[in-house]
Amino acid sequence: DAMVIQNPRYQVTQFGKPVTLSCSQTLNHNVMYWYQQKSSQAPKLLFHYYDKDFNNEADTPDNFQSRRPNTSFCFLDIRSPGLGDAAMYLCATSRGPGLVVSGANVLTFGAGSRLTVL
Amino acid sequence: QKEVEQNSGPLSVPEGAIASLNCTYSDRGSQSFFWYRQYSGKSPELIMFIYSNGDKEDGRFTAQLNKASQYVSLLIRDSQPSDSATYLCAVNRGGGYNKLIFGAGTRLAVHP
Repeated sequence: DAMVIQNPRYQVTQFGKPVTLSCSQTLNHNVMYWYQQKSSQAPKLLFHYYDKDFNNEADTPDNFQSRRPNTSFCFLDIRSPGLGDAAMYLCATSRGPGLVVSGANVLTFGAGSRLTVL
Repeated sequence: QKEVEQNSGPLSVPEGAIASLNCTYSDRGSQSFFWYRQYSGKSPELIMFIYSNGDKEDGRFTAQLNKASQYVSLLIRDSQPSDSATYLCAVNRGGGYNKLIFGAGTRLAVHP
C-alpha cells in the first residue's frame, strides 16, 4: 500500500544531543511537510518542500533543519534539542498545487515520531 | 487572534446523537477546508474536505461551509463511541504550496 512511513516512532534523546527523524513516502507526492504537535495543541507547520524547493516558516527556530535528498525521503534534524522540543513530529505529503476539487492539496500523514528530551 | 479557532471541548454526546463541531478562520482568502480526526497518540486522518459554500455529505459526516461568516462545521450523525477523538479543523490559505493551518481541535466524547 502506498503510504508515508516515519522512523523512529519513538525517540528519546538527551538535552543538546542531535536527533534526526526520517520520513519516506511511496505516494510519489511532490510536497512533503514537517509539523510539530505538542500535547493538546494544533499541529504547527515547521517547513515544507515542493520538490527540491525548501520553504521555511518564519517562526521555525534555527535549531530545526530539513533535508530532502530525493522525492521519496525527507529528514528533520534537530541540532540541539531542548526540553521545549519534546513533541510529536508529523510528516505529511500532498500531490501539490492543483485544482482544489481534485484533492491535490489533501495532506496524508505518517504515524508520527514522538520525541522525548531528558 | 488565531488563524483557526475551535472550541477545545470536551463535547460530550450520547451514542446515537448528532455531534456538531465548529470552526472559525480569520483569513478571507482561504480556499479549502479540512476536517481531520486524531485519536490520542496517533496522527491525524482525513475525514473530508470542502471548498464551496453549503453542505457536503459523506456517510455519517456532513461538512458545512459559510465563507461570508468564515465558519465551517462538521456534523456527525448517529455518533458512536468509536467516534470519540479530537477533531482538527484545517484551512488552506491558497497560494503556491498548499499549506494547511490547523486549529487546536475539539475533543469529542461519545458515551454509551
